[in-house]
Amino acid sequence: QQPVQSPQAVILREGEDAVINCSSSKALYSVHWYRQKHGEAPVFLMILLKGGEQKGHEKISASFNEKKQQSSLYLTASQLSYSGTHFCGTENSGGSNYKLTFGKGTLLTVNP
Amino acid sequence: GAGVSQSPSNKVTEKGKDVELRCDPISGHTALYWYRQSLGQGLEFLIYFQGNSAPDKSGLPSDRFSAERTGGSVSTLTIQRTQQEDSAVYLCASSPNARDPGYTFGSGTRLTVV
Repeated sequence: QQPVQSPQAVILREGEDAVINCSSSKALYSVHWYRQKHGEAPVFLMILLKGGEQKGHEKISASFNEKKQQSSLYLTASQLSYSGTHFCGTENSGGSNYKLTFGKGTLLTVNP
Repeated sequence: GAGVSQSPSNKVTEKGKDVELRCDPISGHTALYWYRQSLGQGLEFLIYFQGNSAPDKSGLPSDRFSAERTGGSVSTLTIQRTQQEDSAVYLCASSPNARDPGYTFGSGTRLTVV
């Protein structure tokens, strides 16, 4: 089941904050976040694991609510370089530990 | 190499022809994945290789799709008798192992079936 991301798109001015949400209908073991710029490969941002462990870039923050089967990516004091489509990929509990189901993405545009 | 390399970057083929897409993962990465990205959609899992273990082919959409990984390194995704619905960007990713999260993706092969 594909996770649902919201919003589909968001436009910010440099320095503003944004939150991108990812929601699943199934119990989650982990949530992965990636950013993809147009015409480029997706780039790993962060993984959040059941139980609270997180791995990723220091300047990126995210939350994982296991009960609600939701994750949120927090982009604070946004920079022009944050522009791109942000994808969450979910791994279900008892799952493969590698096979991710990705949402359709959230297009973030940061303007000067 | 420094990153995951995919070739060709673009491929236009006629309906019914076979195509081969190549992925060269980061040296030493034992886990290799193929995903497909269609316009406006997320990434769709196709197949996963881990070391010498049998691959997980559960995401392959039909028996026209196959993949192999030779010597635990380079992988080839083959699509036989291509159809227009196969048009998409095919992305390869690798990671040090299945328990080390965070894929490194290649830039993909854009396949157009006409």
